[in-house]
Amino acid sequence: DAGVIQSPRHEVTEMGQEVTLRCKPISGHNSLFWYRQTMMRGLELLIYFNNNVPIDDSGMPEDRFSAKMPNASFSTLKIQPSEPRDSAVYFCASSPAGTGGYEQYFGPGTRLTVT
Amino acid sequence: GQQLNQSPQSMFIQEGEDVSMNCTSSSIFNTWLWYKQDPGEGPVLLIALYKAGELTSNGRLTAQFGITRKDSFLNISASIPSDVGIYFCAGATSGTYKYIFGTGTRLKVLA
Repeated sequence: DAGVIQSPRHEVTEMGQEVTLRCKPISGHNSLFWYRQTMMRGLELLIYFNNNVPIDDSGMPEDRFSAKMPNASFSTLKIQPSEPRDSAVYFCASSPAGTGGYEQYFGPGTRLTVT
Repeated sequence: GQQLNQSPQSMFIQEGEDVSMNCTSSSIFNTWLWYKQDPGEGPVLLIALYKAGELTSNGRLTAQFGITRKDSFLNISASIPSDVGIYFCAGATSGTYKYIFGTGTRLKVLA
């Protein structure tokens, strides 16, 4: 079974550029999460979608960050404009219906470097 | 953001030894998850715990939901080199998707 798919796996960009990260959740899962992982702060929840609807975006650090989920099989996280402090590993996770988000399955992550 | 305390932070063990690590919180949780993360990869779910006192196994791994609901434990028996990685705990209160993640325990196995 395919797990959560993320692309690209690595992204290097210059400050001020727009960055778009992509995620395909596990088929049949109805909850999707975007996380950011850094050495200093560990894993932080950025935004949570349930049935394609954003439920909680309180973890989104600034207006420069936005996320969409146009359908059940695709989500994007966009940073515009990007800054060096956005450098981190960004994970997408999905959760199956009926678990209330209890079991979250992570993708391989996108390592973002902003120079 | 808030993180749970995991101990030890890191450990070196000999292949074949048993490993114990724990996770503590100042808050009561109703769900505990344990993950393993390899370098350059995402966390992989190992065990999920839903009831205080629950003991659940997954192969050589056994995890327990503490009676106080403020802690959880993970044991690995007869460690092997591929057990190397960072182990994270995550706790959540009832009916919420918002997990608080631990600081991680880095495990290194000496062959």
